Amino acid sequence: GAGVSQSPSNKVTEKGKDVELRCDPISGHTALYWYRQRLGQGLEFLIYFQGNSAPDKSGLPSDRFSAERTGESVSTLTIQRTQQEDSAVYLCASSLTGGVSEQFFGPGTRLTVL
Amino acid sequence: DQQVKQNSPSLSVQEGRISILNCDYTNSMFDYFLWYKKYPAEGPTFLISISSIKDKNEDGRFTVFLNKSAKHLSLHIVPSQPGDSAVYFCAASDRDDKIIFGKGTRLHILP
Repeated sequence: GAGVSQSPSNKVTEKGKDVELRCDPISGHTALYWYRQRLGQGLEFLIYFQGNSAPDKSGLPSDRFSAERTGESVSTLTIQRTQQEDSAVYLCASSLTGGVSEQFFGPGTRLTVL
Repeated sequence: DQQVKQNSPSLSVQEGRISILNCDYTNSMFDYFLWYKKYPAEGPTFLISISSIKDKNEDGRFTVFLNKSAKHLSLHIVPSQPGDSAVYFCAASDRDDKIIFGKGTRLHILP
């Protein structure tokens, strides 16, 4: 069956522009997570959705970052006024029920801010 | 402040030998630990996990050991195979839905 998909796979943007990253989770998975991995760093938690609600937004680095999920399915991570330090691979994962149930990751979106 | 630490950025092991990847954590509330494996240009994939009520969990060539008093866990791969070359992430959870990842260790299996 289809896994988690993310688009675009690569995004190059100029500093100050807004970007939208998309995640399509595995059908039926109620939980959806966004992480980012900057060069040489581990996976950094950004936000978690249970259904369409985000009970934990504590990882969002600044108010330039926002995310939404609709239809308990697709999620969009938006970064406004991008900065060079936003350059990273943004990974999305979904799990059946949340908690410690296994997370299945997408391939990621590599964002480069020039 | 890193709550999950993988202090070895890389490790090289001869094919057929044992690979041991180490992970330390600081939060005593963590009660569930996971290892993920990541190939280049792919997302991480779940490998093995362990609950804090256990000190060992084995799955084929992979065994995870947990030492709660030392706040240390390790992943053993034996025998190591070329396809094991990847980045391995240690992760921990405290029953919240947030999982904290380490920085990863790049494992190279040498022919």
